[in-house]
Amino acid sequence: KAGVTQTPRYLIKTRGQQVTLSCSPISGHRSVSWYQQTPGQGLQFLFEYFSETQRNKGNFPGRFSGRQFSNSRSEMNVSTLELGDSALYLCASSGTSGYQETQYFGPGTRLLVL
Amino acid sequence: QKEVEQNSGPLSVPEGAIASLNCTYSDRGSQSFFWYRQYSGKSPELIMFIYSNGDKEDGRFTAQLNKASQYVSLLIRDSQPSDSATYLCAVHHSGYSTLTFGKGTMLLVSP
Repeated sequence: KAGVTQTPRYLIKTRGQQVTLSCSPISGHRSVSWYQQTPGQGLQFLFEYFSETQRNKGNFPGRFSGRQFSNSRSEMNVSTLELGDSALYLCASSGTSGYQETQYFGPGTRLLVL
Repeated sequence: QKEVEQNSGPLSVPEGAIASLNCTYSDRGSQSFFWYRQYSGKSPELIMFIYSNGDKEDGRFTAQLNKASQYVSLLIRDSQPSDSATYLCAVHHSGYSTLTFGKGTMLLVSP
């Protein structure tokens, strides 16, 4: 099975711009979670989508949004970029290993805001 | 606030030694526990998970869980320089489908 794919892998934007990141989960996985990783804060949960519905949301401002399509692909959008949004954005798709739901990460999108 | 705590390290061990990585969590309702390995500049990759008290072994890795003490650990036997990475502990809480991650412990294995 192909793994989780994320595009683009690298992005450079300037403050005030917006950005859209894409994630394709492992085939058959219906849940997609997004995380932001920074050196100071570690991995922080952004939101989770399951069958096109946002199931959980982390503690991020409304500038961060997402959606999921009927084929389980997901996008996240960040509007009005700030310098502090520079981070590695990780997508994880969830599947069952035995009886345990398990998350598998994509390679990430590294965003630099100048 | 559900918290997961890890010593940031670095934990330095010589090649061939046992590396012991520890994690504590605050939510007693936590159900399952995961260890991920993250190499510098890469994304986390799953090593193993555990949900029952006791030990679970997978090759050179052993996860240990003690729910009464809210403590989970990862032992790496016969450590290799290629094991040098940051190890992330993650906790799955009852009623939620998301994971809460610790900030990770950096492991350095010297030849």
